[in-house]
Amino acid sequence: DSGVTQTPKHLITATGQRVTLRCSPRSGDLSVYWYQQSLDQGLQFLIQYYNGEERAKGNILERFSAQQFPDLHSELNLSSLELGDSALYFCASSVRGLGVTIHEQYFGPGTRLTVT
Amino acid sequence: GENVEQHPSTLSVQEGDSAVIKCTYSDSASNYFPWYKQELGKRPQLIIDIRSNVGEKKDQRIAVTLNKTAKHFSLHITETQPEDSAVYFCAATGGGADGLTFGKGTHLIIQP
Repeated sequence: DSGVTQTPKHLITATGQRVTLRCSPRSGDLSVYWYQQSLDQGLQFLIQYYNGEERAKGNILERFSAQQFPDLHSELNLSSLELGDSALYFCASSVRGLGVTIHEQYFGPGTRLTVT
Repeated sequence: GENVEQHPSTLSVQEGDSAVIKCTYSDSASNYFPWYKQELGKRPQLIIDIRSNVGEKKDQRIAVTLNKTAKHFSLHITETQPEDSAVYFCAATGGGADGLTFGKGTHLIIQP
């Protein structure tokens, strides 16, 4: 158990719909990262938040957005869903601050999204 | 941006033998290189990492080596056991962005 929690575990929805995935980081971690894992794209970095603010963006679609709340939990919002958005969505957290040192990232159990 | 290549995609070894997985990266500014193990349907689990100021790091049966000049790093697992069977991912970051760039993964199969 990494200490990172994600809900829900599974989500089945239809094309065109919108869903929200939730992540709670490990106690004390200020950075949250979102990753997408699919068979054809592999593990891809989507976005990072640090202490409530967006820190870095990866291959995140415009239909996707995220935010980090004052209690440091984060939500990933996926809208206008397409069949190709079906994937495992992982959240990771680290103590990573604004300094130079990069810290380890610990992954949550993931949310499996199926778009039908 | 960063690009990470990982080889082989599948590796089958006899129990007790050693396994080596290799990765190359493209961004010379990358300075942090973790390795993750992922079992089917589970989360990626950090097993070892190395930073660019170190050439080698060892943790029991697992070791990682880094060659900054050639921009490649490798995972070595000795005395393999059935529980080592999983998909292993290498990753890199540090070139200005924090997100990890992953290789495509290596499916390690330990034959009894």
